[in-house]
Amino acid sequence: KAGVTQTPRYLIKTRGQQVTLSCSPISGHRSVSWYQQTPGQGLQFLFEYFSETQRNKGNFPGRFSGRQFSNSRSEMNVSTLELGDSALYLCASSFREDNEQFFGPGTRLTVL
Amino acid sequence: SQQGEEDPQALSIQEGENATMNCSYKTSINNLQWYRQNSGRGLVHLILIRSNEREKHSGRLRVTLDTSKKSSSLLITASRAADTASYFCATDAGAAGNKLTFGGGTRVLVKP
Repeated sequence: KAGVTQTPRYLIKTRGQQVTLSCSPISGHRSVSWYQQTPGQGLQFLFEYFSETQRNKGNFPGRFSGRQFSNSRSEMNVSTLELGDSALYLCASSFREDNEQFFGPGTRLTVL
Repeated sequence: SQQGEEDPQALSIQEGENATMNCSYKTSINNLQWYRQNSGRGLVHLILIRSNEREKHSGRLRVTLDTSKKSSSLLITASRAADTASYFCATDAGAAGNKLTFGGGTRVLVKP
């Protein structure tokens, strides 16, 4: 099976812009979760989608949003980018809850 | 916020030695998972242990879970240079869905 794929792998944006990141889960996995990793805050949960519905949400401002399509692919969007949004954004998929999550390689976002 | 705290933060050992790292968490959990990350890349799932399990093995990995102390340990036996990475514990405590809360990680350096 192909693993979780994320595009793009690297992204450079300027403050105030918006960005969309994409994640394709492992075939058959319906749960997709997003995490942000920074040196200061570590790994933090953003949100989880299951069957096109947001099932869980972390403590991030409304500038962070996401969606899931009928083929389970997911996108996350960050609007009005701030310098502090520079991070590695990781997507993970899982077959069902209470199960291991498989992570993609991440998208490294740099905000200038 | 991070539920788990890992100890030690960094570990340096010689090839062939064992590496042990510990994880403590704060709330009741459904399961606890260990992940490995190489140099800011994606996370690789190592092992999942459920709240009703006390010990689990996978190859050179041994994980224990003590729910009364809210702690877990990961032992890597006969370490190799390729084991050099950061190791994270993550707890799944949600009522539904997938939502992992990560510890700060242990950086392991295995010297050849």
